[in-house]
Amino acid sequence: DSGVTQTPKHLITATGQRVTLRCSPRSGDLSVYWYQQSLDQGLQFLIQYYNGEERAKGNILERFSAQQFPDLHSELNLSSLELGDSALYFCASGTNTEAFFGQGTRLTVV
Amino acid sequence: AQSVAQPEDQVNVAEGNPLTVKCTYSVSGNPYLFWYVQYPNRGLQFLLKYITGDNLVKGSYGFEAEFNKSQTSFHLKKPSALVSDSALYFCAVRDRRGNTPLVFGKGTRLSVIA
Repeated sequence: DSGVTQTPKHLITATGQRVTLRCSPRSGDLSVYWYQQSLDQGLQFLIQYYNGEERAKGNILERFSAQQFPDLHSELNLSSLELGDSALYFCASGTNTEAFFGQGTRLTVV
Repeated sequence: AQSVAQPEDQVNVAEGNPLTVKCTYSVSGNPYLFWYVQYPNRGLQFLLKYITGDNLVKGSYGFEAEFNKSQTSFHLKKPSALVSDSALYFCAVRDRRGNTPLVFGKGTRLSVIA
């Protein structure tokens, strides 16, 4: 158990809809990272938050947004969903010398 | 910009034989280097990391990796492969300047055949 909790584990939704993925980092970790894993793209970094503030942005679409709350949990919001958004979404937390990943949320857009 | 290359999509090895999964990296400063493993329908599990010190790093499940600065490589090795090692392996790099995200390679699927 990595100590990083993601909910839900699975999500099936229709095109055009909006979903929210939730991540609770390990106790004490201030950084949260979101990654997308799709079959043909590998692991793509989406966005990083540190203690409530956006720290770095990767290949995140404008339809996607995230935030980190005062209790350090984070949410990734995906809107106007398309078939191509179907993927495994991972959250990670850690420090400069370690990163621990949650089990992921598998999103299927139908 | 940081990047990682895993030149092999697939590596096949017979059980009991040594295995190598290759990784090369590019980073402007000095790197932190990591290997993760992903089993089917599971998250990423940490295997080992290079932070500083000895270039040969030992990790979980008998895996080790050697940091080679001149060749900018961090190949994953195991002296004797097990069928249970069959999984997807990811190499990742982070610039040690600042709290930046990990950048991953595309992954290498390891298949160990009995």
